[in-house]
Amino acid sequence: DVKVTQSSRYLVKRTGEKVFLECVQDMDHENMFWYRQDPGLGLRLIYFSYDVKMKEKGDIPEGYSVSREKKERFSLILESASTNQTSMYLCASSPPYTNTGELFFGEGSRLTVL
Amino acid sequence: AQKVTQAQTEISVVEKEDVTLDCVYETRDTTYYLFWYKQPPSGELVFLIRRNSFDEQNEISGRYSWNFQKSTSSFNFTITASQVVDSAVYFCALPYNQGGKLIFGQGTELSVKP
Repeated sequence: DVKVTQSSRYLVKRTGEKVFLECVQDMDHENMFWYRQDPGLGLRLIYFSYDVKMKEKGDIPEGYSVSREKKERFSLILESASTNQTSMYLCASSPPYTNTGELFFGEGSRLTVL
Repeated sequence: AQKVTQAQTEISVVEKEDVTLDCVYETRDTTYYLFWYKQPPSGELVFLIRRNSFDEQNEISGRYSWNFQKSTSSFNFTITASQVVDSAVYFCALPYNQGGKLIFGQGTELSVKP
């Protein structure tokens, strides 16, 4: 069974802390994505990656960075967490070179920044 | 610009009722795909359907059906004889640029009461 695993389902952090959200997929997919989900706004793309050590900004990259050192792992980093980054974060992966393929999602990481 | 609009934020129905979730999109592409995803309370988005803009025939899968109308840029989703297990947030999505990125609508939260 294909799987995208996000390391933490729930996190509570303080303003200014550095936060790492980890995502691992076992499908050998080239493409990986980080989305943020907020009520009334749907899912918004933060960053994506098409290959190891490659990353591109999505629609709302400010305040975030990413790391892709291995094909199966895509990490989202909040260098200095702020309260407006309280949200649900969803990782996804997909096969390469396609606008026709579906995305495979993890269960999400709900982050609260106090 | 690519855009997906789901105007219905929340819908509540009683079990066995039929319900239609609306999706309106904008795209600069002449050929494209459209998607519907389901997000149950567990959080993981699950792929439901992909439709090609070449094919405007309605699609039916059990109690689910999809009405794609290019003339009105709509891709509506109907659940017939709804069940409590259908309670979820449903997202309509459209690829943008290249590389498998999806742009999502705001989502419609469906609540089916027994």
